[in-house]
Amino acid sequence: EDQVTQSPEALRLQEGESSSLNCSYTVSGLRGLFWYRQDPGKGPEFLFTLYSAGEEKEKERLKATLTKKESFLHITAPKPEDSATYLCAVQLGSSNTGKLIFGQGTTLQVKP
Amino acid sequence: ETGVTQSPTHLIKTRGQQVTLRCSSQSGHNTVSWYQQALGQGPQFIFQYYREEENGRGNFPPRFSGLQFPNYSSELNVNALELDDSALYLCASSSPRGVPEAFFGQGTRLTVV
Repeated sequence: EDQVTQSPEALRLQEGESSSLNCSYTVSGLRGLFWYRQDPGKGPEFLFTLYSAGEEKEKERLKATLTKKESFLHITAPKPEDSATYLCAVQLGSSNTGKLIFGQGTTLQVKP
Repeated sequence: ETGVTQSPTHLIKTRGQQVTLRCSSQSGHNTVSWYQQALGQGPQFIFQYYREEENGRGNFPPRFSGLQFPNYSSELNVNALELDDSALYLCASSSPRGVPEAFFGQGTRLTVV
């Protein structure tokens, strides 16, 4: 069964304390891996798409990397405004739709 | 800011009732997907519409149905509401050449009592 698992479920950091979020996946064939940020009560906000192992993308304090079995979202020197739930999702190679399979998310809290 | 808008933002319904949720897709996007997000969980794919036709469905019963209109806006209908249908319902739009599910609306929070 195609599955996406994120860890940890929750993460508390002090402002400036760098860390990484993990997204591991077991799928029959990966077309793309997506990262989103979601604030409470709002829809997910697209961050990155990664398509092949070894690919990296950066945006401000965030960097996403991809291997054949997992992806990491690295947060460098986080600020309180980075507090949110970060969702990882995969699109299957066999899919004829844009359907994404999501993990359960990692809730990040950054304290000043 | 995305151009995907959903209405209403919040809704309270009684078990057994029917509900219609609406989504206006981003300009130029002819594909709309609907997701259900229970509290503390990731979104789950309900179905997708492309050029007014259903183009894939997740593991949801037939009482979840949808429509897409010529202007690419969409509706999600849920009949015979159950308590477990309480969730945030998300709409995402995309274009064939763009990143899939790149733009989500703010969601409709449905509470079934």
